[in-house]
Amino acid sequence: DAGVTQSPTHLIKTRGQQVTLRCSPKSGHDTVSWYQQALGQGPQFIFQYYEEEERQRGNFPDRFSGHQFPNYSSELNVNALLLGDSALYLCASSPRTRDRFNYGYTFGSGTRLTVV
Amino acid sequence: GQQLNQSPQSMFIQEGEDVSMNCTSSSIFNTWLWYKQDPGEGPVLLIALYKAGELTSNGRLTAQFGITRKDSFLNISASIPSDVGIYFCAGRAPRMDFQKLVFGTGTRLLVSP
Repeated sequence: DAGVTQSPTHLIKTRGQQVTLRCSPKSGHDTVSWYQQALGQGPQFIFQYYEEEERQRGNFPDRFSGHQFPNYSSELNVNALLLGDSALYLCASSPRTRDRFNYGYTFGSGTRLTVV
Repeated sequence: GQQLNQSPQSMFIQEGEDVSMNCTSSSIFNTWLWYKQDPGEGPVLLIALYKAGELTSNGRLTAQFGITRKDSFLNISASIPSDVGIYFCAGRAPRMDFQKLVFGTGTRLLVSP
């Protein structure tokens, strides 16, 4: 059973460019969340998608946008890249259940984005 | 963005020693989680805590949800070399969608054989 799959694993972009990162959730999961992890820091919540809509958002500018497809996979787009956007971008999937005791939250290995 | 305070920042111990790390918040959480992250990988869930005062074990790992709901600790007994990694606490605040987590700053653990 494949876990959360992210692509690409590494990416180098130039300031001002745009980037798209991709995530396929674990089988049976329909909710995808994206996190940004700067070097030496804990992950920071960017936003969450389910039913193909953004449901909750962290403190990130509008340059960060996303999309969820009918097969539950998701994309994270970042426009007008800044040097400070360099980080590990993590995707996490989970089943859409309100049962807080069933915390099926699985992270992918991440995409390492370097902006030069 | 908001991050929880974790201490210590790093630890270098001998194999077989016990380890303790903790996490504090200025606000209340109703779920505490502990994750381990290896280089080049995403965080992996170790223990989940759902109730103030709860003490939960997972093998050599034990974690507790503080009574004030503003802190949690993780203990690792009889450490082994594969315990090396970065340990993160994470919390979910009340009335927040259960998917959104606030993470700590991490504790880097090094174990000498």
